[in-house]
Amino acid sequence: GAVVSQHPSRVICKSGTSVKIECRSLDFQATTMFWYRQFPKKSLMLMATSNEGSKATYEQGVEKDKFLINHASLTLSTLTVTSAHPEDSSFYICSAFSESRTDTQYFGPGTRLTVL
Amino acid sequence: KQEVTQIPAALSVPEGENLVLNCSFTDSAIYNLQWFRQDPGKGLTSLLLIQSSQREQTSGRLNASLDKSSGRSTLYIAASQPGDSATYLCAVSGEYGNKLVFGAGTILRVKS
Repeated sequence: GAVVSQHPSRVICKSGTSVKIECRSLDFQATTMFWYRQFPKKSLMLMATSNEGSKATYEQGVEKDKFLINHASLTLSTLTVTSAHPEDSSFYICSAFSESRTDTQYFGPGTRLTVL
Repeated sequence: KQEVTQIPAALSVPEGENLVLNCSFTDSAIYNLQWFRQDPGKGLTSLLLIQSSQREQTSGRLNASLDKSSGRSTLYIAASQPGDSATYLCAVSGEYGNKLVFGAGTILRVKS
């Protein structure tokens, strides 16, 4: 199966700071990457869909100015949580998809964000 | 709007028991359905993917069925083992691999 990495795996930051999370597809070119958020004991909620070279499409209720997504290449997408607050603390998971591969998204291992 | 429901929310069984996890979805116009496994604090591992034209998929001790018209899927785990303990998530896709809608998951604990 395809490999998707995320960095960092865990981050703790102070309220008001910005945090960048990287998502990389290591062995294939991802035409589309997805960002999900998961609260404890809850399911994954899609935040946004990003296509390489174009602006991300955000789901209803997700603030695009707070969660900045950049899909600079076919192997890298970044999520920046700007001016983080304690309520942004969550588990963020990315996935990568390629139309040339199977009909499935390949998920990263997730990033645990804790905002103090 | 597609909604996915998983029952039960949690399940605890003794080792060796066969078990069934249930998933239902409100909009039958799906492209495929997937079952994932998630260990605590980890990402997702895809277990089985069923295309909308298929009725079931099998992998080892796992068997997933799909009844698209009734909006239901089941994941059958045979001869459960403690290593099967995890959260199992069901997700449906309404387009070509895009926009997965997830259920809340079933937390499975297999006791040795």
